[in-house]
Amino acid sequence: EAGVTQSPTHLIKTRGQQATLRCSPISGHTSVYWYQQALGLGLQFLLWYDEGEERNRGNFPPRFSGRQFPNYSSELNVNALELEDSALYLCASSLPRPRDLNSPLHFGNGTRLTVT
Amino acid sequence: AQSVAQPEDQVNVAEGNPLTVKCTYSVSGNPYLFWYVQYPNRGLQFLLKYITGDNLVKGSYGFEAEFNKSQTSFHLKKPSALVSDSALYFCAVRALNSGNTPLVFGKGTRLSVIA
Repeated sequence: EAGVTQSPTHLIKTRGQQATLRCSPISGHTSVYWYQQALGLGLQFLLWYDEGEERNRGNFPPRFSGRQFPNYSSELNVNALELEDSALYLCASSLPRPRDLNSPLHFGNGTRLTVT
Repeated sequence: AQSVAQPEDQVNVAEGNPLTVKCTYSVSGNPYLFWYVQYPNRGLQFLLKYITGDNLVKGSYGFEAEFNKSQTSFHLKKPSALVSDSALYFCAVRALNSGNTPLVFGKGTRLSVIA
C-alpha cells in the first residue's frame, strides 16, 4: 500500500510570507496529525483532523492553521512566517478513534521548511 | 496530562554490544506505549508497541522493550547492536482513555553504534 505522502519535500520562504504544506494519508485512514520537529525540541503536536473536523490543537499560535478535505488529505498553513518556524513538519495518519488507540501512527517523510 | 521523558540525548555503544535506550512516562490510567526510529531526512518508522499482556514486547529489527508499571518505564533494548541501528529513537505514549489527546512523544535519543 502507498504510504503517507507529503509535499513539497523542501520549502524556502522569507520572513512574513505564508507557507502551505500538503499531506495525503494512507488509503482507509481518516485521521491526519501534524507535528513540528524543530532542532533539539523533539516532536511537538500541532493539529489533528478526523473526518474533516479539527479534534485537537497543540500549543501553537493561531497563524498555524489547517484543514482536511473530503478525501481526507490535509493542508497545513503557516502565516506570517518567523525564523523560528524553520523545522521539519511531519504528517501522520491513522484509523479514526477508537480504532487508532492501540495502532501506531504512520508518518510521511516530512516537509523541510526553511525561513530566511 | 501525558508526558514522556527520554533522559539521554545521546547513547554510544560498540557494535556487537547490547544497547538500551531509556524511556519513562506519565499518564492517568493504563498506557499505550510505542517506540519509533527516525533515519536522516526521513519520517518516523514504527518499531514496537505495548498495549497489554506480556511485559516484554518484541518488535522490528531485533529490538525489544520491557514495560515496567511500577517504575513507569518502557526501555528499548537490543542484545547486539549494529552500525545500521544508528538513528534517532522516540518513545511515545497515550492513555487508554485519552479521548481526543494525541500521541505524545519524547524528545528523542540519538543512538550511535561504533564499529
